[in-house]
Amino acid sequence: GAVVSQHPSRVICKSGTSVKIECRSLDFQATTMFWYRQFPKKSLMLMATSNEGSKATYEQGVEKDKFLINHASLTLSTLTVTSAHPEDSSFYICSARLTGLAGESYNEQFFGPGTRLTVL
Amino acid sequence: AQSVTQLDSQVPVFEEAPVELRCNYSSSVSVYLFWYVQYPNQGLQLLLKYLSGSTLVKGINGFEAEFNKSQTSFHLRKPSVHISDTAEYFCAVRPGNDYKLSFGAGTTVTVRA
Repeated sequence: GAVVSQHPSRVICKSGTSVKIECRSLDFQATTMFWYRQFPKKSLMLMATSNEGSKATYEQGVEKDKFLINHASLTLSTLTVTSAHPEDSSFYICSARLTGLAGESYNEQFFGPGTRLTVL
Repeated sequence: AQSVTQLDSQVPVFEEAPVELRCNYSSSVSVYLFWYVQYPNQGLQLLLKYLSGSTLVKGINGFEAEFNKSQTSFHLRKPSVHISDTAEYFCAVRPGNDYKLSFGAGTTVTVRA
C-alpha cells in the first residue's frame, strides 16, 4: 500500500511550452501533497505544499505564476510548469501525506518516482 | 528552522564491509528524523524513521540508525553492504508541529566488489 505515482516519468518539450505533471496517491487519500525539485547531484528542494481544495503554499523564491499547482481531489495534485525554459529542466518529485478516513494525518510522506523534465 | 548536514558527500565501500553515513541536524524544536534511499532516476524510498521511543531504529534492507539527542545526530549504519546498496542516501528532519521535510545534501554510496 501507500503508492504514489507520477505521470509522465519523462518529458521533453520546447522552450515556451507548458508542461503538466500529475501526482496521484493510488491507494490512500492525501489532503496534503508536496512538490520538490532536485538538481543533478543535489538534494531535494521543497517548492510548494499542495492542499486539497485550497491554494498551494509556495516556498520563498518559488514563482507561483511559473509553477501552477492544483489539488482538485484527495488523490491528485498537478504541477504545471508554464512557459518552460531550459533552466526549468530538472527532476520533479512529489510526495503525499496519508490522511485517514477520519481526517487524521500520519507522520510519513510517500514519494512518487519522479518526473524528468528536459526543456530544449 | 531546521537544517541537516550530511558530513560525507561520497562513501566508497567494498562489498560485505560495514558502512556508516553521518547525519547531524539543528533545530530549535523537537524533530522527527528520517533516512531515505534514492536509486538512479527514481524517487525516494524510506529506509527508517525515528519518531520517539528507542533511540536505535531498525529499517529495511538491514539498515539501522541511532538517534543521539545530545549530539544532534542520526547516523545510518549497515554491518555488511551489497552491490545493490549503491545509491544516494538522504537524511531528513521535520519538526513535530509541521510536515515539511528538510533534506541533507545526500551521500553517494558506491559499493565495489
